Amino acid sequence: DQQVKQNSPSLSVQEGRISILNCDYTNSMFDYFLWYKKYPAEGPTFLISISSIKDKNEDGRFTVFLNKSAKHLSLHIVPSQPGDSAVYFCAASERDSGTYKYIFGTGTRLKVLA
Amino acid sequence: ETGVTQTPRHLVMGMTNKKSLKCEQHLGHNAMYWYKQSAKKPLELMFVYSLEERVENNSVPSRFSPECPNSSHLFLHLHTLQPEDSALYLCASSQGWTGYGYTFGSGTRLTVV
Repeated sequence: DQQVKQNSPSLSVQEGRISILNCDYTNSMFDYFLWYKKYPAEGPTFLISISSIKDKNEDGRFTVFLNKSAKHLSLHIVPSQPGDSAVYFCAASERDSGTYKYIFGTGTRLKVLA
Repeated sequence: ETGVTQTPRHLVMGMTNKKSLKCEQHLGHNAMYWYKQSAKKPLELMFVYSLEERVENNSVPSRFSPECPNSSHLFLHLHTLQPEDSALYLCASSQGWTGYGYTFGSGTRLTVV
């Protein structure tokens, strides 16, 4: 049973428009969430995070929104650029669980069209 | 070198072979991880080492055997694998639990024939 789900395997967006990537989770004990970005032939790299005490975190063109009641988070990229084309993974963790574990989703492949 | 380095980048092995994947981190982190990435599946946590002690083994078959000789090095020994074990194997490290997650290596693309 997947605890973190990314139901859209792929997304295509025109350059300059907004990209919205979605992630749902089932474990209400998760209290910290991250987005990773992965280019082909490279490992995932940290992009942005959000704690459960917040509902929004912004870093430049990237904003993550958290809806705890819906157990849903989303990553907004505005404006989208061709260099943003990559696979985006959502990950979740329980900070006080005593382990260092992050649970990942299956990823969404974003393609930004020039 | 900086970051997390994995070797080899690509590996093709037969089902009766024995091979090892190597991971080295130059970040001074105290925890290291093996993840498996198969097509259309989430990254699956295989093993966690904290301070060179294995703290988690996620029901991984015994044909995968990890080794952590020191805080900078992590190995994954492979023996009599199956074709369904073909995947991208990612190593990661962290300084305990961190809000920045892990630092990943580039992975080893393993093909079992």
